[in-house]
Amino acid sequence: GENVEQHPSTLSVQEGDSAVIKCTYSDSASNYFPWYKQELGKGPQLIIDIRSNVGEKKDQRIAVTLNKTAKHFSLHITETQPEDSAVYFCAVTDYGQNFVFGPGTRLSVLP
Amino acid sequence: GAGVSQSPRYKVAKRGQDVALRCDPISGHVSLFWYQQALGQGPEFLTYFQNEAQLDKSGLPSDRFFAERPEGSVSTLKIQRTQQEDSAVYLCASSSRDRLAKNIQYFGAGTRLSVL
Repeated sequence: GENVEQHPSTLSVQEGDSAVIKCTYSDSASNYFPWYKQELGKGPQLIIDIRSNVGEKKDQRIAVTLNKTAKHFSLHITETQPEDSAVYFCAVTDYGQNFVFGPGTRLSVLP
Repeated sequence: GAGVSQSPRYKVAKRGQDVALRCDPISGHVSLFWYQQALGQGPEFLTYFQNEAQLDKSGLPSDRFFAERPEGSVSTLKIQRTQQEDSAVYLCASSSRDRLAKNIQYFGAGTRLSVL
């Protein structure tokens, strides 16, 4: 089955700096790659996603890049703010409906 | 409703008790998913419904776990004879069949189950 790894597991950055989180996956059939943000006591919230026919997607301070050949994709957050502090999860699916999630990255943005 | 609603938010059960967790998906969403999230880990897939049909239950950890969605809307996840290892947050998600929105799953806040 699909195996998703995520690095780093924890990340601390100064406010205003950039943060990058990387996910690798094993199944070359995977073709949809969302990123979720989870705050304490809440469910995961979709922040950005990318499909296999696109290499990069950007939404204000957040971007995702995909390298299908190498089977990895990354979340980029620029100009980080304290409210960006949360746990971030990547996920993959092959349109088989259920997601396989990575283990998560705890991001701390220090003021 | 505006989002996915789950109840109760917290459930404490004694080992051996049965529990039932409810999920109200976004109105009109055809697909509904249940995930289990252990402390400090990512969500893990349990089961998937399309309307009232349970199309995939490969993630259910044992026959003590049972899910239903009889009218294709509200779903209930039932755990019989709870064990301590069942302690986790149970997340429900729903998604639309709309072509552009396909695959986007919207999550509820989850039910935190603690088995003592």
